[in-house]
Amino acid sequence: DSGVTQTPKHLITATGQRVTLRCSPRSGDLSVYWYQQSLDQGLQFLIHYYNGEERAKGNILERFSAQQFPDLHSELNLSSLELGDSALYFCASSVVRLARASEQFFGPGTRLTVL
Amino acid sequence: DAKTTQPNSMESNEEEPVHLPCNHSTISGTDYIHWYRQLPSQGPEYVIHGLTSNVNNRMASLAIAEDRKSSTLILHRATLRDAAVYYCILRAYSGGGADGLTFGKGTHLIIQP
Repeated sequence: DSGVTQTPKHLITATGQRVTLRCSPRSGDLSVYWYQQSLDQGLQFLIHYYNGEERAKGNILERFSAQQFPDLHSELNLSSLELGDSALYFCASSVVRLARASEQFFGPGTRLTVL
Repeated sequence: DAKTTQPNSMESNEEEPVHLPCNHSTISGTDYIHWYRQLPSQGPEYVIHGLTSNVNNRMASLAIAEDRKSSTLILHRATLRDAAVYYCILRAYSGGGADGLTFGKGTHLIIQP
């Protein structure tokens, strides 16, 4: 158990819909990262938040957005869903923003299926 | 981040040592070498990282070549639970720490009982 929690575990929805995925980082971790894992693209970094502020963007679509709240939990919002958005979505947390060597702790993921 | 090259798959027997290689010929002087693994149906899990010297922890050892262009993750006594995809990742230390991890395809490690 990494200490990172994600809800829901599974989500099934239809094309065109909007969903929200939730992540609670480990106690004390200020950084939250979101990743997408699909069969064709592998594991890809989407976005990073540190203490409520966006710090970096990866391969995140404009239809996707995220935020980190004062209690440090984060939400990833996916809108206008397409079949290709079906994937596993992981969040990870880490302690320090500046230390590139710091390890990331991953949650169990949310499996999104778009029908 | 610089690119890494790993074999697609490797097979080993239970209770034997496993050496997982990673080539990173374009590594820069401040790149850290990280290893993560992903067990079936789970999120990635941190294994170990290093910069120049060899490193040991309770999970594994990391041997880094003197020129740092390659490294080897060593599992001293593989168990069935070590069957996973292992990712070798370089992280540039140039300040900021903002970027996420760049995962390649990794090495699928198969452990035979």
